[in-house]
Amino acid sequence: DSGVTQTPKHLITATGQRVTLRCSPRSGDLSVYWYQQSLDQGLQFLIQYYNGEERAKGNILERFSAQQFPDLHSELNLSSLELGDSALYFCASSVGRQEGPLHFGNGTRLTVT
Amino acid sequence: KNQVEQSPQSLIILEGKNCTLQCNYTVSPFSNLRWYKQDTGRGPVSLTIMTFSENTKSNGRYTATLDADTKQSSLHITASQLSDSASYICVVSAESNSGYALNFGKGTSLLVTP
Repeated sequence: DSGVTQTPKHLITATGQRVTLRCSPRSGDLSVYWYQQSLDQGLQFLIQYYNGEERAKGNILERFSAQQFPDLHSELNLSSLELGDSALYFCASSVGRQEGPLHFGNGTRLTVT
Repeated sequence: KNQVEQSPQSLIILEGKNCTLQCNYTVSPFSNLRWYKQDTGRGPVSLTIMTFSENTKSNGRYTATLDADTKQSSLHITASQLSDSASYICVVSAESNSGYALNFGKGTSLLVTP
């Protein structure tokens, strides 16, 4: 068990809708990262937060947004969903910014129909 | 452009056999190289992290090597077990102005058969 909790595990929604994915980092970790993994694709970095502030941005669409709250949990908001947004969304956490190992949650599987 | 290439894309071996997975990268400035194991439908789990000065690191039956000169790494699995069936991902960290950027390979899918 990595100590990183993601909810929900599965999400099925229709095109055009909006969903929120939630992540609780491992106790003591200040950094939270979001990744997207489409079928047969590698992990694509979306965004990183460190202690409540945005630290780095990857290939995150404008329709997607995220935030990290004072209790360090994070939410990833996906809006105007398209079929191509169907993927596994992983959250990871680390103690510092990125020097050490990342601890991944087991992901949220999003299916857009 | 920072890239991480893994080979082979997939591999099937018999239980008990050894295997070696390869990772070539063009990432700079290099900070560290990591290997992760990802079981189907689960999040990746860290196996090893190696810095520039380390050329080998072991974690049980997993041994990673790093040649920073040729920008190559390998992950050797000894006496494979059925539970080794997973995707193995090579990740190279580059230091940037905003901190560190992780560059992910697409992974090698390993299937260990009885």
